Amino acid sequence: EAGVTQFPSHSVIEKGQTVTLRCDPISGHDNLYWYRRVMGKEIKFLLHFVKESKQDESGMPNNRFLAERTGGTYSTLKVQPAELEDSGVYFCASSPLGWTDTQYFGPGTRLTVL
Amino acid sequence: AQSVTQLDSHVSVSEGTPVLLRCNYSSSYSPSLFWYVQHPNKGLQLLLKYTSAATLVKGINGFEAEFKKSETSFHLTKPSAHMSDAAEYFCVVSPQGNYGQNFVFGPGTRLSVLP
Repeated sequence: EAGVTQFPSHSVIEKGQTVTLRCDPISGHDNLYWYRRVMGKEIKFLLHFVKESKQDESGMPNNRFLAERTGGTYSTLKVQPAELEDSGVYFCASSPLGWTDTQYFGPGTRLTVL
Repeated sequence: AQSVTQLDSHVSVSEGTPVLLRCNYSSSYSPSLFWYVQHPNKGLQLLLKYTSAATLVKGINGFEAEFKKSETSFHLTKPSAHMSDAAEYFCVVSPQGNYGQNFVFGPGTRLSVLP
């Protein structure tokens, strides 16, 4: 069974540009989460999808961040326009619905904003 | 509200000696607790989890952790460190049976293993 995959693995952009990160969850997992780790700090929750619906987006830092999950499969996280403080590693995780608590993480996308 | 404290940002041990990575948590709920490990350029891998069954939890690669409610701790141990254990370790808390609620991570502990 394939794990959670993320694309790209690295992205280097200039301030003001747009970047789109993609996450493919484990097949059949309806829960999908985005987290990020900025500047060596704690990994912080960004948002949570259940299928195609946003269940909790309380961790999204501002309106420059837009997450979508069309059809309840893969998800994208767009940053527009990117700022220096957006640099960090963005992790995606997925889990099945129901009585479960383990989340399965992807390798992350390292974003560098110059 | 939930929070996690990892008391050491960096731990260094010699190969073959015991490993102790400390974690204390705060939770308004009965928590589920996890340890994840991240090797360089790899994703987060689940080491073990506690979800209200046995308080001593065994994980992969010889790691184990003990849930102590009175101390609000969930320290990670391994009897004998191996070079391949060098990585960053994260303690994570979540409401028990969380039905998809988000994780709260500790700041991480970087483990170095010296030959």
